[in-house]
Amino acid sequence: NAGVTQTPKFRILKIGQSMTLQCAQDMNHNYMYWYRQDPGMGLKLIYYSVGAGITDKGEVPNGYNVSRSTTEDFPLRLELAAPSQTSVYFCASSYPDLRGMNYGYTFGSGTRLTVV
Amino acid sequence: ELKVEQNPLFLSMQEGKNYTIYCNYSTTSDRLYWYRQDPGKSLESLFVLLSNGAVKQEGRLMASLDTKARLSTLHITAAVHDLSATYFCAVARESGGGADGLTFGKGTHLIIQP
Repeated sequence: NAGVTQTPKFRILKIGQSMTLQCAQDMNHNYMYWYRQDPGMGLKLIYYSVGAGITDKGEVPNGYNVSRSTTEDFPLRLELAAPSQTSVYFCASSYPDLRGMNYGYTFGSGTRLTVV
Repeated sequence: ELKVEQNPLFLSMQEGKNYTIYCNYSTTSDRLYWYRQDPGKSLESLFVLLSNGAVKQEGRLMASLDTKARLSTLHITAAVHDLSATYFCAVARESGGGADGLTFGKGTHLIIQP
């Protein structure tokens, strides 16, 4: 049981390049999330998904896109990388309990992205 | 808009001392989380607090929740060096299930001196 797996762990991009950050979970969790963490700051929500085919914007979605074609995978795409997107990106997943309450979050190990 | 404020943001303390980290949030929520993060690492879940008056303890850490005051505390008892880390509180963005994620505080960077 691997939990939440993120790839790559590190990446350097040039301004204007594009890339996809991969996130996969093997816990059959319905809910998945992308966060970014800037130095000295807490995490900010970029996008989230409550199930395959359903995605929604979080606090800081500009410059990013997501898709959710399967329960397991939730990739994050940067189309035109900018220095402001230099950050550590965390993927997370969670599940509702029998009452519909959602309280079990599992975080991936993160992707450290630098845009130069 | 939900805002989460932690204080202090930086704390240097000696081993053996007690201290409390505070987490205030701005709107109603039914779940509050505490996480620990070591440098360069991911987040480790410490506590989930689900109701007013909830108190949870694990080793030298104890967390409590006052939903009426919109305040949670993380109390450290007889600190040891291994507890040095950054501690985050996070609040569910909506009540009633909250599939739409968490809002985090900026974190408290805790250094415990031997």
